[in-house]
Amino acid sequence: DTGVSQDPRHKITKRGQNVTFRCDPISEHNRLYWYRQTLGQGPEFLTYFQNEAQLEKSRLLSDRFSAERPKGSFSTLEIQRTEQGDSAMYLCASSLGWQDNQPQHFGDGTRLSIL
Amino acid sequence: AQTVTQSQPEMSVQEAETVTLSCTYDTSESDYYLFWYKQPPSRQMILVIRQEAYKQQNATENRFSVNFQKAAKSFSLKISDSQLGDAAMYFCAYRRHSGGGADGLTFGKGTHLIIQP
Repeated sequence: DTGVSQDPRHKITKRGQNVTFRCDPISEHNRLYWYRQTLGQGPEFLTYFQNEAQLEKSRLLSDRFSAERPKGSFSTLEIQRTEQGDSAMYLCASSLGWQDNQPQHFGDGTRLSIL
Repeated sequence: AQTVTQSQPEMSVQEAETVTLSCTYDTSESDYYLFWYKQPPSRQMILVIRQEAYKQQNATENRFSVNFQKAAKSFSLKISDSQLGDAAMYFCAYRRHSGGGADGLTFGKGTHLIIQP
Protein backbone atom coordinates (compact mmCIF):
# COMPACT_ATOMS: atom_id res chain seq x y z
CA ASP A 1 0.00 0.00 0.00
CA THR A 2 1.79 3.08 -1.26
CA GLY A 3 -0.96 5.50 -0.30
CA VAL A 4 -2.71 8.16 -2.34
CA SER A 5 -0.26 10.15 -4.43
CA GLN A 6 -0.84 13.68 -5.70
CA ASP A 7 1.20 15.70 -8.13
CA PRO A 8 2.40 18.42 -8.01
CA ARG A 9 2.68 19.25 -4.31
CA HIS A 10 2.72 22.96 -5.04
CA LYS A 11 1.58 24.98 -8.02
CA ILE A 12 1.99 28.73 -8.45
CA THR A 13 0.38 30.32 -11.47
CA LYS A 14 -0.90 33.62 -12.75
CA ARG A 15 -4.56 34.48 -12.77
CA GLY A 16 -6.21 33.36 -15.98
CA GLN A 17 -3.93 30.39 -16.59
CA ASN A 18 -5.09 26.78 -16.71
CA VAL A 19 -3.78 24.21 -14.24
CA THR A 20 -4.09 20.45 -14.01
CA PHE A 21 -3.53 18.24 -10.99
CA ARG A 22 -3.09 14.50 -10.89
CA CYS A 23 -4.14 11.95 -8.28
CA ASP A 24 -3.11 8.31 -8.14
CA PRO A 25 -5.33 6.40 -5.71
CA ILE A 26 -4.45 3.32 -3.71
CA SER A 27 -4.31 0.61 -6.35
CA GLU A 28 -7.33 -1.50 -5.42
CA HIS A 29 -9.58 1.44 -4.53
CA ASN A 30 -12.44 1.96 -6.97
CA ARG A 31 -13.75 5.22 -5.49
CA LEU A 32 -11.89 8.50 -5.86
CA TYR A 33 -12.78 11.90 -4.40
CA TRP A 34 -11.66 15.49 -4.83
CA TYR A 35 -11.91 18.08 -2.06
CA ARG A 36 -10.85 21.70 -1.71
CA GLN A 37 -9.52 23.08 1.56
CA THR A 38 -8.99 26.78 2.17
CA LEU A 39 -6.95 28.16 5.04
CA GLY A 40 -8.55 27.60 8.41
CA GLN A 41 -11.41 25.54 7.03
CA GLY A 42 -12.29 21.90 6.72
CA PRO A 43 -12.16 20.23 3.30
CA GLU A 44 -15.15 20.75 1.02
CA PHE A 45 -16.33 18.00 -1.27
CA LEU A 46 -16.01 18.69 -4.99
CA THR A 47 -16.68 15.46 -6.86
CA TYR A 48 -16.28 11.72 -6.79
CA PHE A 49 -15.81 8.80 -9.15
CA GLN A 50 -16.71 5.18 -8.91
CA ASN A 51 -14.34 3.51 -11.34
CA GLU A 52 -14.40 5.79 -14.42
CA ALA A 53 -17.89 7.17 -13.79
CA GLN A 54 -18.24 10.63 -12.23
CA LEU A 55 -21.24 10.09 -9.97
CA GLU A 56 -21.52 13.29 -7.98
CA LYS A 57 -20.51 16.91 -8.45
CA SER A 58 -20.81 19.60 -5.80
CA ARG A 59 -22.24 23.02 -6.58
CA LEU A 60 -18.74 24.27 -5.74
CA LEU A 61 -17.53 22.72 -8.98
CA SER A 62 -18.05 25.58 -11.41
CA ASP A 63 -17.90 25.26 -15.18
CA ARG A 64 -14.22 26.14 -15.05
CA PHE A 65 -13.50 22.91 -13.20
CA SER A 66 -13.41 19.52 -14.86
CA ALA A 67 -12.36 16.16 -13.52
CA GLU A 68 -11.66 12.92 -15.30
CA ARG A 69 -10.73 9.41 -14.38
CA PRO A 70 -9.96 7.53 -17.57
CA LYS A 71 -9.95 3.75 -17.21
CA GLY A 72 -10.83 4.07 -13.55
CA SER A 73 -7.25 4.51 -12.43
CA PHE A 74 -5.63 7.93 -11.87
CA SER A 75 -7.66 11.11 -11.97
CA THR A 76 -7.01 14.66 -13.14
CA LEU A 77 -8.60 17.88 -11.97
CA GLU A 78 -8.31 20.82 -14.34
CA ILE A 79 -9.10 24.42 -13.52
CA GLN A 80 -9.45 26.75 -16.49
CA ARG A 81 -8.99 30.52 -16.35
CA THR A 82 -7.90 30.45 -12.72
CA GLU A 83 -9.12 33.14 -10.33
CA GLN A 84 -7.77 34.40 -7.01
CA GLY A 85 -10.49 32.50 -5.18
CA ASP A 86 -9.17 29.22 -6.53
CA SER A 87 -6.16 29.46 -4.22
CA ALA A 88 -6.52 26.47 -1.91
CA MET A 89 -5.26 23.00 -1.09
CA TYR A 90 -6.79 20.41 -3.40
CA LEU A 91 -7.07 17.04 -1.72
CA CYS A 92 -7.65 13.68 -3.32
CA ALA A 93 -8.92 10.65 -1.44
CA SER A 94 -9.75 7.08 -2.36
CA SER A 95 -11.70 4.24 -0.82
CA LEU A 96 -12.86 0.71 -1.44
CA GLY A 97 -16.43 1.10 -2.55
CA TRP A 98 -17.56 -2.47 -2.24
CA GLN A 99 -18.36 -2.08 1.42
CA ASP A 100 -20.18 1.04 2.43
CA ASN A 101 -18.30 1.59 5.66
CA GLN A 102 -14.85 1.88 4.12
CA PRO A 103 -13.07 5.10 5.09
CA GLN A 104 -11.47 7.51 2.67
CA HIS A 105 -7.67 7.71 2.56
CA PHE A 106 -6.24 11.09 1.70
CA GLY A 107 -3.20 12.21 -0.24
CA ASP A 108 -0.86 15.04 0.75
CA GLY A 109 -2.72 17.49 -1.46
CA THR A 110 -1.73 20.01 -4.13
CA ARG A 111 -1.41 23.57 -2.87
CA LEU A 112 -2.46 26.06 -5.55
CA SER A 113 -1.44 29.69 -5.30
CA ILE A 114 -2.81 32.23 -7.78
CA LEU A 115 -0.73 35.35 -8.27
CA ALA B 1 -28.14 19.58 3.65
CA GLN B 2 -25.96 18.08 6.30
CA THR B 3 -23.84 20.34 8.48
CA VAL B 4 -21.08 19.59 10.94
CA THR B 5 -20.20 22.02 13.72
CA GLN B 6 -17.03 22.05 15.78
CA SER B 7 -17.46 24.79 18.36
CA GLN B 8 -13.90 24.73 19.71
CA PRO B 9 -11.46 26.42 17.30
CA GLU B 10 -8.58 25.56 19.63
CA MET B 11 -7.98 23.31 22.64
CA SER B 12 -4.93 22.93 24.82
CA VAL B 13 -4.05 20.01 27.10
CA GLN B 14 -1.10 18.98 29.21
CA GLU B 15 0.84 15.97 28.04
CA ALA B 16 -0.51 12.71 29.56
CA GLU B 17 -3.87 14.25 30.38
CA THR B 18 -7.25 13.69 28.76
CA VAL B 19 -9.01 16.04 26.36
CA THR B 20 -12.41 15.94 24.71
CA LEU B 21 -13.16 17.56 21.35
CA SER B 22 -16.78 18.40 20.57
CA CYS B 23 -18.74 17.86 17.37
CA THR B 24 -22.40 18.22 16.55
CA TYR B 25 -24.09 17.57 13.26
CA ASP B 26 -27.41 18.08 11.61
CA THR B 27 -29.05 15.51 9.36
CA SER B 28 -32.44 14.10 8.54
CA GLU B 29 -30.92 10.74 7.65
CA SER B 30 -31.14 7.76 10.01
CA ASP B 31 -28.24 5.79 8.57
CA TYR B 32 -24.85 7.45 8.25
CA TYR B 33 -21.22 7.38 9.29
CA LEU B 34 -19.17 9.71 11.46
CA PHE B 35 -15.42 10.11 11.43
CA TRP B 36 -12.64 11.96 13.19
CA TYR B 37 -9.65 12.82 11.04
CA LYS B 38 -6.33 14.24 12.19
CA GLN B 39 -4.30 16.63 10.03
CA PRO B 40 -0.79 17.39 11.35
CA PRO B 41 0.84 20.58 10.04
CA SER B 42 1.72 20.23 6.35
CA ARG B 43 0.88 16.55 6.42
CA GLN B 44 -1.89 14.40 5.11
CA MET B 45 -5.27 13.79 6.71
CA ILE B 46 -5.31 10.57 8.72
CA LEU B 47 -8.37 8.68 9.92
CA VAL B 48 -8.47 8.48 13.72
CA ILE B 49 -11.74 6.73 14.41
CA ARG B 50 -15.13 6.04 12.80
CA GLN B 51 -18.62 5.29 14.02
CA GLU B 52 -21.55 3.74 12.21
CA ALA B 53 -24.82 5.36 13.26
CA TYR B 54 -26.71 2.10 13.61
CA LYS B 55 -24.22 0.84 16.20
CA GLN B 56 -25.02 1.91 19.73
CA GLN B 57 -21.63 0.94 21.08
CA ASN B 58 -19.11 3.76 21.06
CA ALA B 59 -16.04 3.17 18.91
CA THR B 60 -12.61 2.89 20.55
CA GLU B 61 -9.14 2.85 19.02
CA ASN B 62 -6.39 2.59 21.63
CA ARG B 63 -6.21 6.02 23.36
CA PHE B 64 -9.02 7.44 21.22
CA SER B 65 -12.70 6.93 21.96
CA VAL B 66 -15.93 8.60 21.00
CA ASN B 67 -19.12 9.51 22.79
CA PHE B 68 -21.83 9.09 20.17
CA GLN B 69 -25.23 10.47 21.17
CA LYS B 70 -27.49 9.87 18.18
CA ALA B 71 -30.57 11.59 19.56
CA ALA B 72 -28.56 14.67 20.44
CA LYS B 73 -26.59 14.46 17.17
CA SER B 74 -23.37 14.71 19.08
CA PHE B 75 -20.08 12.95 18.37
CA SER B 76 -17.23 13.92 20.68
CA LEU B 77 -13.67 12.57 20.60
CA LYS B 78 -11.80 11.76 23.80
CA ILE B 79 -8.04 11.46 23.71
CA SER B 80 -6.57 9.81 26.77
CA ASP B 81 -2.93 10.07 27.88
CA SER B 82 -2.27 12.88 25.39
CA GLN B 83 1.07 12.72 23.60
CA LEU B 84 3.08 15.40 21.80
CA GLY B 85 2.41 13.60 18.53
CA ASP B 86 -1.32 14.18 18.98
CA ALA B 87 -0.86 17.87 18.22
CA ALA B 88 -2.77 18.58 15.00
CA MET B 89 -6.00 19.87 13.51
CA TYR B 90 -8.85 17.48 14.21
CA PHE B 91 -11.79 17.36 11.85
CA CYS B 92 -15.14 15.78 12.50
CA ALA B 93 -16.79 14.46 9.34
CA TYR B 94 -20.14 13.03 8.31
CA ARG B 95 -21.08 10.79 5.42
CA ARG B 96 -24.51 9.49 4.74
CA HIS B 97 -25.12 5.94 3.66
CA SER B 98 -24.11 5.66 0.02
CA GLY B 99 -27.46 4.20 -0.93
CA GLY B 100 -28.77 7.72 -0.43
CA GLY B 101 -26.62 9.16 -3.20
CA ALA B 102 -23.78 11.58 -2.46
CA ASP B 103 -20.75 9.92 -1.00
CA GLY B 104 -18.60 12.90 -0.16
CA LEU B 105 -17.65 13.71 3.40
CA THR B 106 -19.00 16.83 5.08
CA PHE B 107 -16.37 18.27 7.40
CA GLY B 108 -16.48 20.65 10.31
CA LYS B 109 -14.11 23.61 10.48
CA GLY B 110 -11.71 21.76 12.72
CA THR B 111 -10.24 22.07 16.22
CA HIS B 112 -6.58 22.91 16.65
CA LEU B 113 -5.22 20.71 19.45
CA ILE B 114 -2.15 21.92 21.30
CA ILE B 115 -0.24 19.59 23.58
CA GLN B 116 1.65 21.33 26.40
CA PRO B 117 4.79 19.43 27.46
